[in-house]
Amino acid sequence: TQLLEQSPQFLSIQEGENLTVYCNSSSVFSSLQWYRQEPGEGPVLLVTVVTGGEVKKLKRLTFQFGDARKDSSLHITAAQPGDTGLYLCAGRGGSEKLVFGKGMKLTVNP
Amino acid sequence: EPEVTQTPSHQVTQMGQEVILRCVPISNHLYFYWYRQILGQKVEFLVSFYNNEISEKSEIFDDQFSVERPDGSNFTLKIRSTKLEDSAMYFCASSGRTNYNSPLHFGNGTRLTVT
Repeated sequence: TQLLEQSPQFLSIQEGENLTVYCNSSSVFSSLQWYRQEPGEGPVLLVTVVTGGEVKKLKRLTFQFGDARKDSSLHITAAQPGDTGLYLCAGRGGSEKLVFGKGMKLTVNP
Repeated sequence: EPEVTQTPSHQVTQMGQEVILRCVPISNHLYFYWYRQILGQKVEFLVSFYNNEISEKSEIFDDQFSVERPDGSNFTLKIRSTKLEDSAMYFCASSGRTNYNSPLHFGNGTRLTVT
């Protein structure tokens, strides 16, 4: 069974601080996706990483896929209150289904 | 931007009753999915559907569950005899392709409460 563990599970920070969320597994994934979910809504895709060692940037968000394709990180620079939400990582391991982590609930205080 | 729509947003039903959750995927998408999220737990895969048949299903998707695309636009999830533990948020998703890069577009979910 493929599992994705995210850490930390909760984070409350002040506006302007940096943070990193980790997504780890003992399994290899063909690709890994990061989603953001607001209360009462479905997950919305932020990025997909496919190649080991790949780094992708989306404004103040930097995503990295581990060299062995077993882990990923999301770094947010100068967090803003609008970044508040639930951040989910999800991986595909060779089938159609996405395996999700439990998520990291981020609160950015003004 | 096109979106996946789900109805109803909230469904309350009694244990043992049948429920049908409805989804309208993005119109040119070919791959359809149901996921669920029990309160406080992970989003879990239920089933994927392509070319009018189930292409993959999880161990959660037992004989009580079925999916259908009855008219080329709607995609439905039926639970035949609901149990208390079926209470969850059910998300429909669709994708235009199924390679490892393909993004899933999720609806806003149906909150199912079984009493």
